[in-house]
Amino acid sequence: GQNIDQPTEMTATEGAIVQINCTYQTSGFNGLFWYQQHAGEAPTFLSYNVLDGLEEKGRFSSFLSRSKGYSYLLLKELQMKDSASYLCAVPSGGYNKLIFGAGTRLAVHP
Amino acid sequence: DGGITQSPKYLFRKEGQNVTLSCEQNLNHDAMYWYRQDPGQGLRLIYYSQIVNDFQKGDIAEGYSVSREKKESFPLTVTSAQKNPTAFYLCASSIELAGGGYEQYFGPGTRLTVT
Repeated sequence: GQNIDQPTEMTATEGAIVQINCTYQTSGFNGLFWYQQHAGEAPTFLSYNVLDGLEEKGRFSSFLSRSKGYSYLLLKELQMKDSASYLCAVPSGGYNKLIFGAGTRLAVHP
Repeated sequence: DGGITQSPKYLFRKEGQNVTLSCEQNLNHDAMYWYRQDPGQGLRLIYYSQIVNDFQKGDIAEGYSVSREKKESFPLTVTSAQKNPTAFYLCASSIELAGGGYEQYFGPGTRLTVT
C-alpha cells in the first residue's frame, strides 16, 4: 500500500529558508506532487516531480530521490504569506488518484 | 474564467437529514473527485469519476453517494448513514501532465456542519 510521512508543524523566520521533508512508500511510482493550502481554502498546485533531482520555480524548489522514497520542498526568502499547510501527494493505483500526506503546517514569524 | 465552483461555502444541517453538495467545472476535464478533510489531517478520497456515467468508491465512501450525469457536474450526497459528516469537503478535477501524472485542480470547498 501507500504511506506518506511529513512533519506536522514547522516554524521559520521571515526572510529565511525552510525545507519541508516528505517520505513515501508506494507500490508503483508515478511522480510526487506538492500542494500549498492556506487555512480554510483549497489546495493549490506547487510542483510535480517524476525524475530524480531538484526543480526550481522561483522561491520554491522541489527535490526527489526515487531510490530513497524521499522528497523535500525548499522555500527561500520566506514571506508571511507563506504561512500555510504544505501537502505531499503521490498517485495511487491508476495515474489519476492521489494519496495525500497529513500536511506540514508552516508558521512564518517576523 | 475557467474553474471549479462549489456551493455553498458553508452548510448547516440537522442530524438525520441527507444533504447534497454541488460541484461544477468548466475546464473540460474528464476526471473529477471528492475529498474530505478533517482538522489537522490530509485529504481522504470519497469518490472519483473518470468519465460521465461512471464512478468508483474511494477510501471512505460509506455514507456517501455521487452521480455523474454530465461532464461538468459531480454532486456529492452526504446521507444520514454517514456517522461523522461534519468536515470540509473539497471537489477536484484533473488534467494529464507531460510525464504521465494528473494535476488536480480544487474547488473552494464546502464546510458542512451537522448538529
